Amino acid sequence: QVQLEQSGGGVTQPGKSLRLSCSGSKIIFSGHGIHWVRQGPGKGLEWVALIGHDGSQKNYADSVKGRFTVSRDTSRNTAFLQMDSLRVEDTAMYYCARYEGTPRAFDIWGQGTPVTVSS
Amino acid sequence: EIVLTQSPDTLSLSPGERATLSCRASQTVSSAYLVWYQQKPGQAPRLLIYGASRRATGTPERFSGSVSETDFTLTISRVEPEDSAVYYCQQFAGSPFDFGQGTRLE
Repeated sequence: QVQLEQSGGGVTQPGKSLRLSCSGSKIIFSGHGIHWVRQGPGKGLEWVALIGHDGSQKNYADSVKGRFTVSRDTSRNTAFLQMDSLRVEDTAMYYCARYEGTPRAFDIWGQGTPVTVSS
Repeated sequence: EIVLTQSPDTLSLSPGERATLSCRASQTVSSAYLVWYQQKPGQAPRLLIYGASRRATGTPERFSGSVSETDFTLTISRVEPEDSAVYYCQQFAGSPFDFGQGTRLE
């Protein structure tokens, strides 16, 4: 069963915005950092961003810094990736993943949501 | 920034053969912060090995990990058809938490 449910992907134009969501149960979500990882068509995995367990820590890949913003709503057990000023090269499958301190890895992944940026 | 370089890009083997996949870090990475994932077509990645050598829950015993300085190795003792996938290493020593480019096992 899918433990992290993703939504919000779609097709849009360059310069536009999209917001992705990643939701889980409280036991799955609470107390864990959530990362975003993307995979371009036929390409490898690219780490995109991180939001810490309490929302205070946020890190971004250089390729999205200043354009993407991570946030989380603890009451709804949901994390968000706000993507602004989208570019064609942002086209990818976007995954959210839960970081677990032991084993220090992404132990649970969302099912992925596709984002296509095209004129 | 730590760069992970995987080799080979593609590995073609027959069932029962031994697979050796390499992940070289551009600088020292504690073994505690190196993981391996397996990704099959159309699926999200799955955690295979953490702490460089510890099998995740559900990982078959034919998979093992090792490290020598900055060289990390994933070994499959006897490959099976269901092991066909792309394998990625990733480091958690510091942001950005980048992946290697992947090794495709056929």
